[in-house]
Amino acid sequence: DVKVTQSSRYLVKRTGEKVFLECVQDMDHENMFWYRQDPGLGLRLIYFSYDVKMKEKGDIPEGYSVSREKKERFSLILESASTNQTSMYLCASRSWGRVYSNQPQHFGDGTRLSIL
Amino acid sequence: QQQVKQSPQSLIVQKGGIPIINCAYENTAFDYFPWYQQFPGKGPALLIAIRPDVSEKKEGRFTISFNKSAKQFSLHIMDSQPGDSATYFCAASMDAGGTSYGKLTFGQGTILTVHP
Repeated sequence: DVKVTQSSRYLVKRTGEKVFLECVQDMDHENMFWYRQDPGLGLRLIYFSYDVKMKEKGDIPEGYSVSREKKERFSLILESASTNQTSMYLCASRSWGRVYSNQPQHFGDGTRLSIL
Repeated sequence: QQQVKQSPQSLIVQKGGIPIINCAYENTAFDYFPWYQQFPGKGPALLIAIRPDVSEKKEGRFTISFNKSAKQFSLHIMDSQPGDSATYFCAASMDAGGTSYGKLTFGQGTILTVHP
């Protein structure tokens, strides 16, 4: 069974802090994703990575960066946290393959981040 | 710009009812349409998916209906149970010859409550 583990379930930080959210997957998946989930807005893609050290911007990358130094680990970085980044953050991983090849995205259980 | 619009935002039905959740998309390049189910405190998980070359797909009590000309698709849950209470997200993806990495564009989500 695929397991995607996010390091923290809840996190409280102050404005201006540099924040790291960590995600680890155990299935040797090539693709990893970071989303934020907000009520009424669904899941919005922040960044994704298709290989070690490779990354692409999603729909809302402003204020965020990512790091993927090892295949199993994908980190989301808030360079200078702001209150509008208070949200639920979800990490997902997926194996390589065509979109209809029955290779779904597997999600972690999320990190609820509060910026005070 | 929300490329996938989902409605309603919330839905309450009695046990045995047939909740219907609707989604509409704009980008005709989308060619894969999954639904994800999310229970409280958990990450979303793939429920069922459809390709646009079929008009309906059924898996157990869950059915996707797809209308390519209208660019709309919907999820029907037959004989709904209290255990189906969850948040449901529609999504869309494009294969792009295998170069999209499985990126998903999600709808806003529907909170379904099934009363006993």
